[in-house]
Amino acid sequence: SYDLTQPPSVSVSPGQTARITCSGDVLAKNYAHWYQQKSGQAPVLLIYKDTQRPPGIHERFSGSKSGTVVALTITGAQVDDEAVYHCSSTDVSGHHRGAFGGGTKLTVL
Amino acid sequence: QVQLVQSGAEVKKPGASVRISCKASGYRFISYSIHWVRQAPGQGLDWMAKVTPTNGDTDYAQKFQGRVSMTRDLSTNTVYMDVSGLTSEDTAMYFCARGTIDDFFDFWGQGTLVSVSS
Repeated sequence: SYDLTQPPSVSVSPGQTARITCSGDVLAKNYAHWYQQKSGQAPVLLIYKDTQRPPGIHERFSGSKSGTVVALTITGAQVDDEAVYHCSSTDVSGHHRGAFGGGTKLTVL
Repeated sequence: QVQLVQSGAEVKKPGASVRISCKASGYRFISYSIHWVRQAPGQGLDWMAKVTPTNGDTDYAQKFQGRVSMTRDLSTNTVYMDVSGLTSEDTAMYFCARGTIDDFFDFWGQGTLVSVSS
């Protein structure tokens, strides 16, 4: 089982907006972060500290938070955005251990 | 540029041990923690352990305690993870990642596939 809850899959047509949610009690007091993992590749940091984009990440990726639920929004999804998206935070121990959701497979077709 | 380069794929028999390495470059090694995250085939990411290079302090997920050990070598900026008592359930891709103060992982290694089979 995972500390954070994500839907297993989301599907949109090219150009539409995709929204992927992630929920967990730990998010009430801790940041959430998002990673994109394309098939056969390592994860890549997409959003950190709920809403921040690292250098080089396109502005069509955005993050938001409300209480214990965070969301990754992809505005104008492209076929190249097909990937598994993982949310993460810290675990409840207070020892700065990682905690992940189960990942959401985004299909754009 | 920041790089984390991991050792190559391993094939092990049940009950064996494996050592995986992660060599860091492009930044001040002691300034960031290094974490290990594994991903079983078709599954999500699973946090395993971390090391603080400054003092060598380690921390392990409860499910791996007693079976996983992390060390670091300051002379080569390399982190090692040893996993003992391998079973088929340890067959997975293992990633190292650089950890930040806000608990996100900003750079990842390319992954090391460990296959456990008799």
